[in-house]
Amino acid sequence: RKEVEQDPGPFNVPEGATVAFNCTYSNSASQSFFWYRQDCRKEPKLLMSVYSSGNEDGRFTAQLNRASQYISLLIRDSKLSDSATYLCVVTPGYGQNFVFGPGTRLSVLP
Amino acid sequence: GAGVSQSPSNKVTEKGKDVELRCDPISGHTALYWYRQSLGQGLEFLIYFQGNSAPDKSGLPSDRFSAERTGGSVSTLTIQRTQQEDSAVYLCASRQFTDTQYFGPGTRLTVL
Repeated sequence: RKEVEQDPGPFNVPEGATVAFNCTYSNSASQSFFWYRQDCRKEPKLLMSVYSSGNEDGRFTAQLNRASQYISLLIRDSKLSDSATYLCVVTPGYGQNFVFGPGTRLSVLP
Repeated sequence: GAGVSQSPSNKVTEKGKDVELRCDPISGHTALYWYRQSLGQGLEFLIYFQGNSAPDKSGLPSDRFSAERTGGSVSTLTIQRTQQEDSAVYLCASRQFTDTQYFGPGTRLTVL
């Protein structure tokens, strides 16, 4: 089993739709969780960190369920510019390696 | 300020040749990571440097791969006797006290 698994995608949604991505991780000692975004042929960039209490940044909401070892990302009112691959990232803690999921590709269609 | 830079941006080489890829992290960042990403695939961890500690080399796929970080700043990833399966984008990232990694633009390596 891979350390970090994500919905295989791709997700093709119309503008304005709400879309949710799921991610599961196998290392129960994992401490920090993130969502990164990677545009085609570009480097990954941090979208948001994921906190135990859940957190929201504009149209983006991240949730963490430690008991189920599950992370989610919800995008509301999707825009064409949201089209990208979304990477779930997990680390055991500060100073440790980061483990990237395979990514879920999102295409927002006009 | 300046971000993470990598050079060259593209490298085409013949099978069996050695290549060196360079990464300049953000000034002051003590942690530096190398990943590779094959076409349509996720990021594969290669090696991790943290300050003066021994690097975590657990992701290096074979002994043809090595990396060093001189003076706690610039890092060089060396691939000896390149094979076609080494073709990928090699990404470098650096980090300071927060958990956020900042990635460079990558080096696209093509082994013919």
